[in-house]
Amino acid sequence: GENVEQHPSTLSVQEGDSAVIKCTYSDSASNYFPWYKQELGKRPQLIIDIRSNVGEKKDQRIAVTLNKTAKHFSLHITETQPEDSAVYFCAASENFGNEKLTFGTGTRLTIIP
Amino acid sequence: DGGITQSPKYLFRKEGQNVTLSCEQNLNHDAMYWYRQDPGQGLRLIYYSQIVNDFQKGDIAEGYSVSREKKESFPLTVTSAQKNPTAFYLCASSIPGVYATNEKLFFGSGTQLSVL
Repeated sequence: GENVEQHPSTLSVQEGDSAVIKCTYSDSASNYFPWYKQELGKRPQLIIDIRSNVGEKKDQRIAVTLNKTAKHFSLHITETQPEDSAVYFCAASENFGNEKLTFGTGTRLTIIP
Repeated sequence: DGGITQSPKYLFRKEGQNVTLSCEQNLNHDAMYWYRQDPGQGLRLIYYSQIVNDFQKGDIAEGYSVSREKKESFPLTVTSAQKNPTAFYLCASSIPGVYATNEKLFFGSGTQLSVL
């Protein structure tokens, strides 16, 4: 089955700086990669996703890059703000296959004012 | 509450007892999922259902059971066979995507289960 590794487990960034979270996956058949944000005491929410037919996707201050050859994908947050503080989860799945999302272990991001 | 309601918010289980966690959605979503969240382990899939009267085991189904008799409801039973049930349980549903049913997950607010 799929195995997703996520690094780092914790990350502290000065407000205004950029944050990068990296994930690797094991199943070369995986072709869908979402990122979820979970604020303290709240439910996870989808913030961005990418499919394997593109290498990069951007939504305002958030971007995701995908390297299929190396089987890794990354979340980039620019101009970080205090409200970006949360736990971020990456995930991977094989669409048109078993369609089970496998999540990474999460990164706790803290923005330092 | 985002269209997905989980109850109760907190639940306590005695040893040898089965308990059922409720998950109801009014979003008309076909697919529903149960995840278990433990500190430092992310979210792990217990069971999922892509259509009424059908469900599939996830990665950690042992000690759990589900039913999907109605589109709106996907209850999870934690049986006495689950020896380490203390965790935060999240239910989710998803709209049929262009490609697959596991995209755009909408999560409930979760149930914290603890063992007495």
